[in-house]
Amino acid sequence: EVQLLESGGGLVQPGGSLRLSCGASGFSFSSYAMSWVRQAPGKGLEWVSGISGSAGNIYYADSVKGRFTVSRENSKNTLYLQMNSLRVEDTAEYYCAKDRGPLVNSKGGYFQQWGQGTLVTVSS
Amino acid sequence: DIQMTQSPSSLSASVGDRVTITCRASQSISNYLNWYQQKSGKAPKLLVYTASNLQSGVPSRFSGSGYGTDFTLTISSLQPEDFATYYCQQSYGSPRVTFGQGTRLEI
Repeated sequence: EVQLLESGGGLVQPGGSLRLSCGASGFSFSSYAMSWVRQAPGKGLEWVSGISGSAGNIYYADSVKGRFTVSRENSKNTLYLQMNSLRVEDTAEYYCAKDRGPLVNSKGGYFQQWGQGTLVTVSS
Repeated sequence: DIQMTQSPSSLSASVGDRVTITCRASQSISNYLNWYQQKSGKAPKLLVYTASNLQSGVPSRFSGSGYGTDFTLTISSLQPEDFATYYCQQSYGSPRVTFGQGTRLEI
């Protein structure tokens, strides 16, 4: 059974940093691209960042480019999101999501499984 | 970026009703359209991929259709567990995917 478990969320002041983790099990982690998708309170879904199975291709939404860094450690079946220069508008539930194959958001791709989410609150 | 617009934003229905949710893309996206269901406080769940393919384990009362810019998700006979928020998502604008704003289905 595929399982994705996020951790690392919490309360941080504007301008601060936080590192999210997503532990994966039940599938060959390195064979699949992974993404981070967030959801602000009461709002819709926003794709944040994606990384290919080999970590050779990485992409970001314009809203986080230059501030967030996605990475993965395939030997540990773990996905990361380093978030720097956090803003109030980054407040959201952050989900990790497994793609259908090794490439990030390929045409016809979809998010097969999602973690339960971890809440990031940016507030003074 | 490709914009996705869902209608209606919210919908009231009853158990047993047939319900249709519409998703429109700002440009043609072929059939690269997915649907997700999100229940309150839970993660989204994949229902339909590439417009009309039912994800394994999803009840057959769910169906998707469409091509180009206009797509629909239909629930043939609403069950109590179907009350949730539904999102469409395009995967044509790779790698930057975008979601619709959501349709809240309530009693």
